[in-house]
Amino acid sequence: DVKVTQSSRYLVKRTGEKVFLECVQDMDHENMFWYRQDPGLGLRLIYFSYDVKMKEKGDIPEGYSVSREKKERFSLILESASTNQTSMYLCASSTPNRVDYGYTFGSGTRLTVV
Amino acid sequence: QKEVEQNSGPLSVPEGAIASLNCTYSDRGSQSFFWYRQYSGKSPELIMFIYSNGDKEDGRFTAQLNKASQYVSLLIRDSQPSDSATYLCAVNVLMSNQFYFGTGTSLTVIP
Repeated sequence: DVKVTQSSRYLVKRTGEKVFLECVQDMDHENMFWYRQDPGLGLRLIYFSYDVKMKEKGDIPEGYSVSREKKERFSLILESASTNQTSMYLCASSTPNRVDYGYTFGSGTRLTVV
Repeated sequence: QKEVEQNSGPLSVPEGAIASLNCTYSDRGSQSFFWYRQYSGKSPELIMFIYSNGDKEDGRFTAQLNKASQYVSLLIRDSQPSDSATYLCAVNVLMSNQFYFGTGTSLTVIP
């Protein structure tokens, strides 16, 4: 069974901390994505990557950075956590240029910044 | 801006009824369309995709696509309480690496 694994299900961090969210996929997918999901706002794309060491900004990249050193791993970094970054963070992966292939999501990380 | 619109609901249907979920999209370059189900506190899971005009059936689920009207829908027959969830519509645009999501429709099936 294909899997996208996020390292933590729940996290509580303090304001100003540097936070790392890890995502690993075992499907050899080229594309990986980080979203945050907030009530009433839906899924908002933070960053995505279509190859190792490649990254593209999404709709809300401010306050975040990413790293993709290996194909299977895509990390989201909150440089200095703030309370407005309290959210559900979802990682997803996919293969490009396929009309019949959707995203596979990880189980999500619920981050609370206090 | 590639917009995907869904009625946020909540949509309530009695058990055994047909639930109809709708989605419109703005980009005519959209080529494939996906429906995800998301239970409260969980991540989205893919339940259907469609890329040709017409209907596609999978068990109790039917996806319908009308590219001329830029409209995609999901029908759930014989609705069960376990179908109570938020349903997300996602659109894949030609030559784009990313999908575009609607904000979701909340469905409640009443026993």
